[in-house]
Amino acid sequence: GAGVSQSPSNKVTEKGKDVELRCDPISGHTALYWYRQRLGQGLEFLIYFQGNSAPDKSGLPSDRFSAERTGESVSTLTIQRTQQEDSAVYLCASTFQSRYFGAGTRLSVL
Amino acid sequence: GENVEQHPSTLSVQEGDSAVIKCTYSDSASNYFPWYKQELGKGPQLIIDIRSNVGEKKDQRIAVTLNKTAKHFSLHITETQPEDSAVYFCAARGNLGGNQFYFGTGTSLTVIP
Repeated sequence: GAGVSQSPSNKVTEKGKDVELRCDPISGHTALYWYRQRLGQGLEFLIYFQGNSAPDKSGLPSDRFSAERTGESVSTLTIQRTQQEDSAVYLCASTFQSRYFGAGTRLSVL
Repeated sequence: GENVEQHPSTLSVQEGDSAVIKCTYSDSASNYFPWYKQELGKGPQLIIDIRSNVGEKKDQRIAVTLNKTAKHFSLHITETQPEDSAVYFCAARGNLGGNQFYFGTGTSLTVIP
């Protein structure tokens, strides 16, 4: 596709449930990032994938957060036992020199 | 690590006036500085970038300046239009590239018609 695609665009879930967010990067972009953006705040780095290298998970806020990537394509971010403080927009970006972002998934935990 | 500060957090200008957003960074080894525009409900979009070997770059109504000595860089928007209203983020990338990419906290720009 022409850009980074994320799904779903909106997700409402109950506290304690697990959620899975999906990112389809731009074809040919080997690097993929997940960021979290809380309301009115900047971008918080979560995790970084580069080709077949071990991912950089240094930004994941807790062990409830995990992410996987299939080769150099789709990535999923999973949040287990969601908490209200997990409510945010989760942005995915793929890279060729600079970041190209998807529209994000707005997660609301009730 | 790198620390990027961005000012102001909010900015209102009259249509046709200029807008300036400033960022400072702490790591003198940072060598790449992109700017992103984020419209409501959308992801950030790259609008302009500058590398450390250049002092200024311009693209139509948008320009970015970099002062490596002072470790600050600025976004300049001239002849602002209502569609320029958005949140703008600056970022700095360390010399090791990869995930060393640090964002400012954003500036909400409102252009008043």
